[in-house]
Amino acid sequence: KNEVEQSPQNLTAQEGEFITINCSYSVGISALHWLQQHPGGGIVSLFMLSSGKKKHGRLIATINIQEKHSSLHITASHPRDSAVYICAAGGNTDKLIFGTGTRLQVFP
Amino acid sequence: DGGITQSPKYLFRKEGQNVTLSCEQNLNHDAMYWYRQDPGQGLRLIYYSQIVNDFQKGDIAEGYSVSREKKESFPLTVTSAQKNPTAFYLCASTKTPRRGGYTGELFFGEGSRLTVL
Repeated sequence: KNEVEQSPQNLTAQEGEFITINCSYSVGISALHWLQQHPGGGIVSLFMLSSGKKKHGRLIATINIQEKHSSLHITASHPRDSAVYICAAGGNTDKLIFGTGTRLQVFP
Repeated sequence: DGGITQSPKYLFRKEGQNVTLSCEQNLNHDAMYWYRQDPGQGLRLIYYSQIVNDFQKGDIAEGYSVSREKKESFPLTVTSAQKNPTAFYLCASTKTPRRGGYTGELFFGEGSRLTVL
């Protein structure tokens, strides 16, 4: 069993739909990162959180420390949101453990 | 604008050749990282450096080498000893990792795709 698991692996949606991507981890963490990988390969950091909830535009990230679970929500999805979304757990070492990513495609 | 620049974006290599991937940052970040990405797998850490003239092996360091002579630069050499070098390589940085864990936002370059012919 991977230490960081994401679901679903692939997700398709129609423009305007509400999207949820889940991340479960089995390690103790100091922070949980959500990243977005563009089709060209570059990665952008979306959120880093250790508790509660953060919001940026149409993106919302939540984390439940007790349940070791985080979710990334996209409201009013748009085709430009199509990307691979990756969660990564930062524990008590200098290393991050990455999930395998969720590939999202949003169709007009 | 500050950021991380990786070059080249695409690189082809014959078996037995060493290649060096460049990573330069102008964010004044202390910590820099090299990751490898393969299809269906999460990013895996090759090497990382928290300070100039010092670096540590990650989970898959065999067949790779790095140097950190300047704060801004962290080049990765893929040697002929790396058995399966074809992959997508990503360089990243953070401002200052605190002891025992990450802190701060991760910044990534656009990546370098290496193909061994």
